[in-house]
Formats: sequence, C-alpha cells, structure tokens
Amino acid sequence: AQSVTQLDSHVSVSEGTPVLLRCNYSSSYSPSLFWYVQHPNKGLQLLLKYTSAATLVKGINGFEAEFKKSETSFHLTKPSAHMSDAAEYFCVVSRAGTASKLTFGTGTRLQVTL
Amino acid sequence: EAQVTQNPRYLITVTGKKLTVTCSQNMNHEYMSWYRQDPGLGLRQIYYSMNVEVTDKGDVPEGYKVSRKEKRNFPLILESPSPNQTSLYFCASSPRATGSEKLFFGSGTQLSVL
Repeated sequence: AQSVTQLDSHVSVSEGTPVLLRCNYSSSYSPSLFWYVQHPNKGLQLLLKYTSAATLVKGINGFEAEFKKSETSFHLTKPSAHMSDAAEYFCVVSRAGTASKLTFGTGTRLQVTL
Repeated sequence: EAQVTQNPRYLITVTGKKLTVTCSQNMNHEYMSWYRQDPGLGLRQIYYSMNVEVTDKGDVPEGYKVSRKEKRNFPLILESPSPNQTSLYFCASSPRATGSEKLFFGSGTQLSVL
C-alpha cells in the first residue's frame, strides 16, 4: 500500500523569496517519488524524480527536492520564487520497479506575489 | 513532435449517452494510463495498461472501460455517463512500465455530464 500527503493545499510567497512545498509519503516498498507541475489549462509536466540514486534531486527551473527516508518526506524547494512559478504542484509516489499504480497527492497551489 | 494527443478537449453530454475519449501517443511507449482530476482530490488513476492487450484497474474504475488493441492508442469509454463523472480527464504515457519513468501527459479533456 502507498499514499502521499501534501501538507499545504495553498502556499503564497513573494517573488524572490524561497519556496517550500511539503510532501510526506507512505510506502510498503522502495518508492519512486516525483514532483509534477500543472500550469493553468495545461497538462502536467515533470519537475524532478527520485529513483533510489542521490537523495538530493535537482530538477528543472531551479527546483530541487530531498528524499529523507527517516522522515518519509520529499519536500520541494526553490531558493527564489519567480512569477512564472505560480501553478499547482503534485507529489507522486510509485513502487519502484513497477508502474502498476501511481498515487498522486491532492496538490499544492503556489501563489507568487510581487 | 513527441506528444500525447487527447480528443476532444471539451465535451458536454447527457446522462446515459455513450462516449469515447481518445488518447494517442507517438513515442512507442509501453505504459499508458487514464486519470481524472477533481478539485481537492488531485489526480486519481482510472485504468492503466502495461502494454498491448494488458489493462488493469486503477483506484476509480467504476463506470469506465478501456482497451489497448494497438500500442499507440488507449481510448477511455463511458458506456452510460452519469453526472458524477463530470471531471477533467488526463491520459499519460511512459516509455516502460517500471514505475520510475517520466509520465508524458495529454492536454486534458473537460467532460460535463448533464
């Protein structure tokens, strides 16, 4: 069994300040973890993924996430928010080695203000 | 251009009238999947396919059918749509069914069942 919890449904930051989007997961197996971004009226786009290699994962557009097994967390961060980062972000867990089921979090809407 | 194509983009129908949402990918991907997105619930998996002629239920399969007769196509069929199937639907594919691969998403189909 697996599940993922995004701890904030909405996060608001000022442009130029750090971004933190929190994700906790639960999995009976070795997980693969992903962050996807969805801009308004668009499909989802992969930001980054963790698949049992380095625990600090760098993605596109300056985002990164750290896999912490002891805390069962995979939080997404960015040092400095840009207006174009405003979107909805989804944390996803799957069982490494099989694509039989992917479980999505409920999403975090990031608002970036001037 | 490598892409996942869904049609139609918008669909309004009435209860009980059978409909099909098409999904096609031109990347020779083995894995394809359907999701529905509802506010506050994130994306939930409806059905997935590990390869041609291999399909299986996701988390919310009731009221839906799929088929995978060819590698590129994975249509979603609603035999007798009901208002609770009003949702935003996404098709996605990945190269292999390993659970560690990037998902490529279509642009979505907004379905309204009256």
